[in-house]
Amino acid sequence: DTEVTQTPKHLVMGMTNKKSLKCEQHMGHRAMYWYKQKAKKPPELMFVYSYEKLSINESVPSRFSPECPNSSLLNLHLHALQPEDSALYLCASSHIAGDAYNEQFFGPGTRLTVL
Amino acid sequence: GENVEQHPSTLSVQEGDSAVIKCTYSDSASNYFPWYKQELGKGPQLIIDIRSNVGEKKDQRIAVTLNKTAKHFSLHITETQPEDSAVYFCAASIRSNDYKLSFGAGTTVTVRA
Repeated sequence: DTEVTQTPKHLVMGMTNKKSLKCEQHMGHRAMYWYKQKAKKPPELMFVYSYEKLSINESVPSRFSPECPNSSLLNLHLHALQPEDSALYLCASSHIAGDAYNEQFFGPGTRLTVL
Repeated sequence: GENVEQHPSTLSVQEGDSAVIKCTYSDSASNYFPWYKQELGKGPQLIIDIRSNVGEKKDQRIAVTLNKTAKHFSLHITETQPEDSAVYFCAASIRSNDYKLSFGAGTTVTVRA
């Protein structure tokens, strides 16, 4: 299995809702990432998990809460989002950067709309 | 931090012609340079990469070249086809405990039939 899967594909939520994005990979990768991508822009790194521990938080607002329950799963919990948080949220995975080159494989993304 | 510049921002080519996208990077410690293709409504797909100990790499119609002295690398697509139409991102990374990919701004490639 050489793919990263993400659910849901699309999500519409109000500013008071709580929702979660899910990501899964079965490539044995021990680094997993969340990115945010606005239209016609490159992905922006949000969080990195290494061996199921949060290793990088790119100063992301606390209304985004990541979780890595095990080596194959990555969640992003959303609460009290703002309309400007509407974007494509991408999950990626890779081998641990220190052991190999940083070949990151991306999932198809979740298109999030905040009303 | 690493700064990657990518040109052109848009590129229109006739089917069958070649397309070239160029990127420059600022940090001489960067040693890994992937290229991603993103089709509409999809996530970025790694299409080819090159490491700093290699000057050129080919995979069928796609090739990447790296000039470490000048700190630039390029993507070459030959015999372009309509399915090559997409946004292409270059990126640079340092093999270390830093997990970050520094992306270029992207090039929208349109292949005219």
